Amino acid sequence: DIQMTQSPSSLSASVGDRVTITCRASQGINNYLAWYQQKPGKVPKLLLFAASTLLSGVPSRFSGSGSGTDFTLTISSLQPEDVATYHCQEYNSALLTFGGGTKVEIK
Amino acid sequence: EVQLLESGGGLVQPGGSLRLSCAASGFTFSSYAISWVRQAPGKGLEWVSTINDGGDSTYYADSVKGRFTISRDNSENTLYLQMNSLRAEDTAVYYCAKSTVTRLFDYWGQGTLVTVSS
Repeated sequence: DIQMTQSPSSLSASVGDRVTITCRASQGINNYLAWYQQKPGKVPKLLLFAASTLLSGVPSRFSGSGSGTDFTLTISSLQPEDVATYHCQEYNSALLTFGGGTKVEIK
Repeated sequence: EVQLLESGGGLVQPGGSLRLSCAASGFTFSSYAISWVRQAPGKGLEWVSTINDGGDSTYYADSVKGRFTISRDNSENTLYLQMNSLRAEDTAVYYCAKSTVTRLFDYWGQGTLVTVSS
């Protein structure tokens, strides 16, 4: 089975800061990587798929990159409404796997 | 508007059983795979199971294989999860989620809490 490791598990940054979250797969998954945003008390929301494709309506300050085993989600200028836990998910294998999540807070 | 409404959660003793339901509306239910994803308190997301549009192919996480059974009734637009031999580590909010062709989750229900405790 594929293991997905996210880092850091939590971070605190100031409004306007650039924030980067990493997701590492235990084996190559091509670009079959998605990111979800889960705001406090809410259900997850799909943000990006195919490692770097933003869904319609997602602010352009969000971007994704990577291929193979190493992926990143970047928020170019952190906003208060971005406070959330971010989850990566691989969909290369038959058994789907999420990362452990990264909690993003405002300093 | 796509809506997914889970029900059936509650408190159950270890070794017990529970059946979750997910009522779907706002889309052609029989055309899409549907999944269960769970989230233990304060933890990350864990994919549990997926059933294809026709109901003849099912997939399970290793952690639930042999204990949980996913099924669907396309005439009633309803998804089910039969959970047997429940363990404390099955305690979580269980979400049903509509799956895309590429097995992403584009719509989620609000979840139902399952607590396994004596």
